Amino acid sequence: RKEVEQDPGPFNVPEGATVAFNCTYSNSASQSFFWYRQDCRKEPKLLMSVYSSGNEDGRFTAQLNRASQYISLLIRDSKLSDSATYLCVVNAPSGNTPLVFGKGTRLSVIA
Amino acid sequence: GAVVSQHPSRVICKSGTSVKIECRSLDFQATTMFWYRQFPKQSLMLMATSNEGSKATYEQGVEKDKFLINHASLTLSTLTVTSAHPEDSSFYICSARDQTQMNTGELFFGEGSRLTVL
Repeated sequence: RKEVEQDPGPFNVPEGATVAFNCTYSNSASQSFFWYRQDCRKEPKLLMSVYSSGNEDGRFTAQLNRASQYISLLIRDSKLSDSATYLCVVNAPSGNTPLVFGKGTRLSVIA
Repeated sequence: GAVVSQHPSRVICKSGTSVKIECRSLDFQATTMFWYRQFPKQSLMLMATSNEGSKATYEQGVEKDKFLINHASLTLSTLTVTSAHPEDSSFYICSARDQTQMNTGELFFGEGSRLTVL
């Protein structure tokens, strides 16, 4: 089983739609979780951290389910500028260890 | 926020030559930096962990003699692709955490270096 798994998509949605991505991770001892956004031919940038209680930032909502070992990202009222690849990222337990990246889910928001 | 600068952003070289990529943390110190490689439509794959003042730790399948890593100071790590071949053409990205903000876990990325080997 891969460490971090995501549906690669692509998800093609119209402007204004709500879209959700899921991600599963295999290491039950993982401590920190993130969603990064990567635009084509650019470096990844942090979109939001994922907290146990769930968190919301504007149109974006992230949820963590430790029991089932999955993370979700919900985007409401999609904009054209949301088109990108969304990377699910998991931090191994403690220490200065590298993050583990999922392959990413491609989103295309269409006018 | 913290900034990581990577240079060059784009390089084209002939097969058999060596290419050096620099990664600098501009406003924070990083005892550890990470080098990733990303092929088209693939995820970021960790190549090695660069440790200031000591040897880098390489991931399985990454040749340490081909991908030379030097982390001579708390703000600079370099990756040298030696005797480059066309199959080394890829997007190389470095990253680092602010060691005073370790608990946040956020990783800051350089802009990436796109290497094309002819």
